Amino acid sequence: DSGVTQTPKHLITATGQRVTLRCSPRSGDLSVYWYQQSLDQGLQFLIQYYNGEERAKGNILERFSAQQFPDLHSELNLSSLELGDSALYFCASSVDIGNEQFFGPGTRLTVL
Amino acid sequence: KNEVEQSPQNLTAQEGEFITINCSYSVGISALHWLQQHPGGGIVSLFMLSSGKKKHGRLIATINIQEKHSSLHITASHPRDSAVYICAARFLGNTDKLIFGTGTRLQVFP
Repeated sequence: DSGVTQTPKHLITATGQRVTLRCSPRSGDLSVYWYQQSLDQGLQFLIQYYNGEERAKGNILERFSAQQFPDLHSELNLSSLELGDSALYFCASSVDIGNEQFFGPGTRLTVL
Repeated sequence: KNEVEQSPQNLTAQEGEFITINCSYSVGISALHWLQQHPGGGIVSLFMLSSGKKKHGRLIATINIQEKHSSLHITASHPRDSAVYICAARFLGNTDKLIFGTGTRLQVFP
């Protein structure tokens, strides 16, 4: 158990819908990362937050957005869902920038 | 372009064998991570290293900065080591963004 929690574990929804994935980092960790793992693209970095502020952006679609709240938990919002958004979404956290990252169990999103 | 390549893609071994998984990257990095992903999907961080060698139990990770190459070794492999092993690089100037290799699927048979 890494100490990073993600909810929900599984999510099944329809095209066009909007979902919110939630991540709670390890106690004391200030940095949160979001990753997408799909069958055809592998693992890809989406976005990073540090102490409430966006720090780095990767291959995140405009339909996706994220935020980190004052209590340091983070949410990833996915809207206008398409079939191709079906993937595992991982959150990771680290104590500070440049440190080892600890991964949550992931949320498996299925878009039908 | 920042790229990470792993080899082999698939690896089968008999229990007790010594395993080596290789990772090479295109340009300078600030750190390299080795991750393990089990069939259930969960990802575990095994090592983060920027130079030299690290050891944890039967796992050893090495990195050669000049050759832009890292290896993950598993000694006395066991069926429970069966998983996908992924290397990920944090390239210089890219803050914390990780670029991932495609993974090596390891199966260890009793």
